[in-house]
Amino acid sequence: EVVLTQSPVSLSLSPGERATLSCRASQSVSTYLAWYQQKPGRAPRLLIYDASNRATGVPARFSAGGSRTDFTLTITNLQPEDFGFYYCQQHSRWPISNTFGQGTRLEIK
Amino acid sequence: QVQMVQSGSEMKKPGASVKVSCKASGYNFIRFGINWVRQAPGQGPEWMGWISPYNHNTNYAPNLRDRFTMTTDTSTTTAYMELRSLTPDDTAVYYCARDYDTTGYWYDPWGQGTLVTVSS
Repeated sequence: EVVLTQSPVSLSLSPGERATLSCRASQSVSTYLAWYQQKPGRAPRLLIYDASNRATGVPARFSAGGSRTDFTLTITNLQPEDFGFYYCQQHSRWPISNTFGQGTRLEIK
Repeated sequence: QVQMVQSGSEMKKPGASVKVSCKASGYNFIRFGINWVRQAPGQGPEWMGWISPYNHNTNYAPNLRDRFTMTTDTSTTTAYMELRSLTPDDTAVYYCARDYDTTGYWYDPWGQGTLVTVSS
């Protein structure tokens, strides 16, 4: 099973700053990687799929890239509403496997 | 708009079963698969399985295959999951989530979640 390791565990930044979140896979997942945002008490929301494509309605300040084992989510010009947890998720076809990372907590000061 | 609305919280004793429903609306129900994902307190999400409302094909996470069943009812556009032989480790929020697109790799939108608590 592919294990996803996210770093840092927690991040505290001010509005207007840039956040850089990392996700490392234990083996190559090509570009089959997504990023989700989750606010306390709410369901996750898809932000990025196929490693770098923004989902419908996601602001342009969210961008992402990477391939194989190393991936990055970047949030520029942080807004107060960007607080929450961010999870990466990978998909493998054989054997079928869909795993999530343990998350990065983003606090806006 | 697309909505996934789940049934309410459940409290169960160890060894019992739980069934959660997920009512979908706002799209062609048979066109997209539905996933079940759970999240234990303080943990990342865990994918449990996928079902196609079109042909009822399923994929189950290996660690749950023996006690987890997913079904769909196209007449009511509702998906169901049943988890049997519950233990306290099954305490979690359970989510249904529609396939984002027809690849079936990504999940959105999600239901609001159903808290299942397993305790004696």
